[in-house]
Order: sequence, then structure tokens, then C-alpha cells
Amino acid sequence: DAGVTQSPTHLIKTRGQQVTLRCSPISGHKSVSWYQQVLGQGPQFIFQYYEKEERGRGNFPDRFSARQFPNYSSELNVNALLLGDSALYLCASSSQSGPRTEAFFGQGTRLTVV
Amino acid sequence: AQTVTQSQPEMSVQEAETVTLSCTYDTSENNYYLFWYKQPPSRQMILVIRQEAYKQQNATENRFSVNFQKAAKSFSLKISDSQLGDTAMYFCAFEGPGTDKLIFGTGTRLQVFP
Repeated sequence: DAGVTQSPTHLIKTRGQQVTLRCSPISGHKSVSWYQQVLGQGPQFIFQYYEKEERGRGNFPDRFSARQFPNYSSELNVNALLLGDSALYLCASSSQSGPRTEAFFGQGTRLTVV
Repeated sequence: AQTVTQSQPEMSVQEAETVTLSCTYDTSENNYYLFWYKQPPSRQMILVIRQEAYKQQNATENRFSVNFQKAAKSFSLKISDSQLGDTAMYFCAFEGPGTDKLIFGTGTRLQVFP
């Protein structure tokens, strides 16, 4: 079975540009979460979607937005990129909402803003 | 607000030996979940072990076990019979009740030497 897949794997953008990152959850998983991992730190929670509804939002500016599609795949959008947005963006999926179910992570998208 | 602290940025251990990684956390919640995740150079976060706060018995998964001290808010990971493949970043994480938000520590880089 395919795991959580993220695309692209690497991306280089210029300050001020916009970027869209994509995530396909494990088949049957309805919950998708996004995390930002800056080099040398632990991941920071950005968003969680369950059944196409936003269930949680971390402490990130409005430049960050996300959505979940009917097939449960998800996109993370970041507008007006800053150098500080350079990070590994991780997507995690789980079958249900809540900590009782295991979250499975993708390999991430490495975003570099120059 | 919940916080997770990992005070050991780097650890090393010889193959076949035992190593313990430390983690402390702060919360006012009574029911919550604690996790240890492994992140190898491939970048994919892999769940190592999970502990439910209302369970007094320490969780064990093969060579991995935890020492959960709820009153002290301590959650250490013991790796027995260390293997070269255990070399990775290890993150301690907390998830509160009714949320899908994992709060991660800053990680401990573990190097296993032959």
C-alpha cells in the first residue's frame, strides 16, 4: 500500500512568490495535518483537516492557507514568501481524528526561499 | 500552553548497548498522549512508541520502552541492544485530548557506532 505522498520533494522559490504543496493521504484516511520543520527544530503544527473541514490551526500568519478535497488529498498554500518560510513541510494522515489513531507522515517537501 | 523539552541535543551509543533519551513536558491536562518519533535522514517521521497518560503501565515495543513518570511530567525512551539503523533524530511529542495537534520537542540526534 502506498504511504503518504507529498509533491514536490524539493522546491526553490523567490521572496514574494506563492507556493502550493500537495499531499495525498493513505487510502481510507480522512484526516490530514500539515507541519513546518525549520532546520534544527521540531515540527510545528500548521493545520489539520478532517472530512474536508478545518479542525485546527496553529500560530501561523494568514499567508498560510490549506484545503482538503473530496478525495481527502490536501494542498497547503503560502503567499508572499519570506526567507523564514524556508523549511521542510510535512504532511501526516490518519484514519480518524484524535490521538487514539496513529498519524503517518510523508517524506516532506523541502522549500527553499531565496 | 503545552510545551515539550528535550535537553539532550546529541547522544551517542555503541552498537548492542543501551541508551536513554530524556523528555519532559508541561501541561495542565490530565488525559493526553505522549509519543516518540524517529526521523532518519530520509526525513520521514516514524512512530516509535506511544503512551496514554491514563495508563500507568509503561509502553514497550520490542527494543524500545518508555519510563513514564506522570507526576514528574517525564517521558524517557530507552533503546536496548542499539543497532546501526537506530541512528536518527528522535522527537518527543505531546497531544492533548480532543485535538489532532502534535507538539514536538527540539529533538535528540542519536548516533550509533559500530
